[in-house]
Amino acid sequence: DAGITQSPRHKVTETGTPVTLRCHQTENHRYMYWYRQDPGHGLRLIHYSYGVKDTDKGEVSDGYSVSRSKTEDFLLTLESATSSQTSVYFCAISGQGNTIYFGEGSWLTVV
Amino acid sequence: GDSVTQMEGPVTLSEEACLTINCTYTATGYPSLFWYVQYPGEGLQLLLKATKADDKGSNKGFEATYRKETTSFHLEKGSVQVSDSAVYFCALSGNNRLAFGKGNQVVVIP
Repeated sequence: DAGITQSPRHKVTETGTPVTLRCHQTENHRYMYWYRQDPGHGLRLIHYSYGVKDTDKGEVSDGYSVSRSKTEDFLLTLESATSSQTSVYFCAISGQGNTIYFGEGSWLTVV
Repeated sequence: GDSVTQMEGPVTLSEEACLTINCTYTATGYPSLFWYVQYPGEGLQLLLKATKADDKGSNKGFEATYRKETTSFHLEKGSVQVSDSAVYFCALSGNNRLAFGKGNQVVVIP
């Protein structure tokens, strides 16, 4: 158990509304990640963080922003949700030995 | 950049058959290699890993050997069960970044 909690686990929202997904870790790891998973695309990195207030873009960052004000929390925000952002979102942390552990996922539907 | 290639398409096989899922990688330096498994409606769980050439990772009857000469990390299991039905992802990790293959769905028929 890597001590990763995602919330909410399931959400339905309307197009144009802001949405924030939260990832919380209990292991004090420096690196945290947000991925999205879509059929035919596998897992794609949205943003990652390498410390408090230190973040960088991944391969599919457009339409997303992140914040990390505390080591344990990494927030992913969709400023104005679109239907193309309907997906499953996974948070991950980089643990011992460069091993990455995943949360259980947040299922987001934008209608 | 670093990348991982998995064999195309789902894999369907009968219970007690042998499973092999091919994985090759391209990377600079000396990455660690992983297999993750994802059951329906769940997150990705680490199945096994290898951190250097010729290492063999193993777990739950699955094995994979880090082959630097062929840049491969094929997943094998000698006798699959229905409960092994899942999606399997090969991945590599270097400099705290992870590159994934697209995954293979494995369906085991009783």
